[in-house]
Amino acid sequence: QVQLVESGGGVVQPGGSLRLSCAASGFTFSSYGMHWVRQAPGKGLEWVAFIRFDGSYEYYADSVKGRFTISRDNSKNTLYLQMNSLRAEDTAVYYCVRPPFDYWGQGTLVTVSS
Amino acid sequence: QAVVTQEPSLTVSPGGTLTLTCGSSTGAVTSGHYPYWFQQKPGQAPKTLIYDTSNKHSWTPARFSGSLLRGKAALTLSGAQPEDEAEYYCLLSYSGALWVFGGGTKLTVL
Repeated sequence: QVQLVESGGGVVQPGGSLRLSCAASGFTFSSYGMHWVRQAPGKGLEWVAFIRFDGSYEYYADSVKGRFTISRDNSKNTLYLQMNSLRAEDTAVYYCVRPPFDYWGQGTLVTVSS
Repeated sequence: QAVVTQEPSLTVSPGGTLTLTCGSSTGAVTSGHYPYWFQQKPGQAPKTLIYDTSNKHSWTPARFSGSLLRGKAALTLSGAQPEDEAEYYCLLSYSGALWVFGGGTKLTVL
């Protein structure tokens, strides 16, 4: 069965960095593009980034462009999100999601606070 | 960046029917936006109900259906059940390079 397991969340100070990982199993990871979606506490969903199946293209929401980088290692069936210059408004649960948004991980919480 | 709009809250009686809508600030929603609909209950990850306007997953209850209605994407719930009380989000794709969620509709079954 399809499984997506995020890790790497935690508490970080404003201006700091964090790298999230998403371990995929149960499907041919290298055949699928992948998304990151986040949800701030008590708020709605926000699409963050997408990477094509082969890593050839990346797309970002304006709110994270220039600060976040999505990447993948198909040999390890793993998706990443490198987050730099973190702000309080980046505090959220971060989900990795397989297109067409059918499978979601359980999420990992990132808290940006001093 | 486009803004996607949904009704903030709606109420339906058990057994009743209602339609949630999803509009785009850029104009009419079309099949080219590949509209998605998600259901999220407290403490849970979202669950996809509808993709590509009207396609259902194997887990989507038959009482949910998706369509385009007067320039918007629409999610119709026919025969509401108490367990349908949840937050519902739509998602639109813009040229396959940008995806934007609506603000969500809090559905109460009462």
